[in-house]
Amino acid sequence: EDKVVQSPLSLVVHEGDTVTLNCSYEVTNFRSLLWYKQEKKAPTFLFMLTSSGIEKKSGRLSSILDKKELFSILNITATQTGDSAIYLCAGEGSARQLTFGSGTQLTVLP
Amino acid sequence: ETGVTQTPRHLVMGMTNKKSLKCEQHLGHNAMYWYKQSAKKPLELMFVYSLEERVENNSVPSRFSPECPNSSHLFLHLHTLQPEDSALYLCASSQDSFGANVLTFGAGSRLTVL
Repeated sequence: EDKVVQSPLSLVVHEGDTVTLNCSYEVTNFRSLLWYKQEKKAPTFLFMLTSSGIEKKSGRLSSILDKKELFSILNITATQTGDSAIYLCAGEGSARQLTFGSGTQLTVLP
Repeated sequence: ETGVTQTPRHLVMGMTNKKSLKCEQHLGHNAMYWYKQSAKKPLELMFVYSLEERVENNSVPSRFSPECPNSSHLFLHLHTLQPEDSALYLCASSQDSFGANVLTFGAGSRLTVL
């Protein structure tokens, strides 16, 4: 059975801090790993990673995949209160199937 | 209107009621999904439709019944639900269900079963 584990489950930081969110996966016929941000209701897409060692970057957010060790990290630098959200990691295996982790609840205090 | 729209946003129902959740996507995608999100648990895939063909998750109880009349609309019919079915039900769509599967989610329908 496919499995995605995220850590930590929750994290509280102050504005300006840098955070690293972790995602390990065991996904049969692995195709890609995706990160989503869920603020209130709808998760919104952040990154899709398919190749090891290639960093994807969007503003203060970046992510990288290690297909040998089966994990990914999401970094957020210079955090802002607007970064407060649940960050979801998902592994894509067989066609149409995304296996999600439980998410990391990030709270950024002013 | 763009994106993925879900109605109703909130629903309270008794265990003997019958209700339906509706999802509509305006993105021209060819695959649609129902996910269940319970507190502190991973999103659970319930059903997938690709080009109106259903791919079923066998672990979903029969009290949940999906319907996909066309590639833009998806319904989840609910009947004789249990209190443990209370959750956020998320609809999503994607362009290509084989391969790079970037989902676009709706805002969800918060269901409470009394």
